Parts: sequence; C-alpha cells; structure tokens
Amino acid sequence: DAGVTQSPTHLIKTRGQHVTLRCSPISGHKSVSWYQQVLGQGPQFIFQYYEKEERGRGNFPDRFSARQFPNYSSELNVNALLLGDSALYLCASSLWQGQGSYNEQFFGPGTRLTVL
Amino acid sequence: AQSVTQLDSHVSVSEGTPVLLRCNYSSSYSPSLFWYVQHPNKGLQLLLKYTSAATLVKGINGFEAEFKKSETSFHLTKPSAHMSDAAEYFCVVSDQNSGYALNFGKGTSLLVTP
Repeated sequence: DAGVTQSPTHLIKTRGQHVTLRCSPISGHKSVSWYQQVLGQGPQFIFQYYEKEERGRGNFPDRFSARQFPNYSSELNVNALLLGDSALYLCASSLWQGQGSYNEQFFGPGTRLTVL
Repeated sequence: AQSVTQLDSHVSVSEGTPVLLRCNYSSSYSPSLFWYVQHPNKGLQLLLKYTSAATLVKGINGFEAEFKKSETSFHLTKPSAHMSDAAEYFCVVSDQNSGYALNFGKGTSLLVTP
C-alpha cells in the first residue's frame, strides 16, 4: 500500500508570493495534519483536519490556511510568503476519528519550500 | 500547556556502546508520549509510543523507553548502538488539551562512531 504522498517535493518562491502544497493520505485514513519543520528544529503543528473540518490549529498567522477534500486529500496554502516560511512542510495521516485518544500519525516525505 | 524538553542537542557514542537520549515533558493531562526518528532526507518514523499501558515500552530496532511520571521523563535507550542508528531523534507529547496534535521537542542528533 502507498504511504502518505506529498507534492511537490521541492519548491522555490519569492517573498510575497502564494504557495499551495498537496497531500494524499494513506487509504482509509480520514484525518490529515500539517507540520512545519524549520531547519534544525522539531516539527511544529499547523493544522489538523477530520472529515473535511478543521479540528485543530497551531500558533500560525492567518496567512496559513488549509482544506480537506471529499477524498480526504488536503491542501496547505500560504499567502504573502516571508523568508521565515522557508521550511520542510510535513503532512501526516491517521485513523483518528475526530475524538478520543491518539491514533498513530504516519508522515509523508515532506515538501521543501525555499523563499528567496 | 504541554511541552517537551530534549536535554541534549547532540549525543555521540561508539558503535556497540549503549545509547541514552533524554527527554522531560510537562502535561496537564494524562499524556501520550512518543519517540520519532528522522534519517537524512527521509520521513519521520515512529520508534515507540506510550499510551498509559506498560511504563516500559519496547520499540523497533532494539530501542526502549521508560515512562517515569514522578520524574516527568521518557528517556530513550538502546543497549548497543549500530552505525545505522545515526539520525535525528524527536521526543513528542500529545494530550487532549492539544486536541491530540503532536508537540515535538527540538531533537537530538545521534552520531555513531566506528
């Protein structure tokens, strides 16, 4: 079975531009989460979605938004890019059903975003 | 609020010697705790998890961790390091207060020398 897939693998943008990152979860997983990993740091939680609804949001500005589609894939959008948005963006999927305890999150390989 | 502190940013061991990566946590609720590993240019992989069952948790590749509530610690150990263990290791906490999102530590870089 395919794991979590993300596209593109690498992306270069300039300040002020907009970017869209995509994620396809493992088949059967309805929950998708997004994380930002700045070089030398641990991943930071951005969003969590379940059944197309936002179920959690980290401490990120409104320039960051996301959505989940009926097939459970997801997009992360970042507007008005800043140099500090340069990072590895990770997507994770799980069997979490919107409530109750933890379910293991499976991570994709990430999208490396460079903002010049 | 929950948080994780990895006490060492870098650890260096010789091949065949024990590994100890230290992690302290804080959580207002009964937490779930994890260790993830990240090899260069590869995705994050779950090593092991604690979710309120046995306090000594066995993971993949010979790694273990012990949940000590009184010390708020969840240190990762392995009896004998292998060259392939060289990677970045993250201690992670999750609880209901965060909606079960994962809260990562800053990571410990493990170097294994011949």
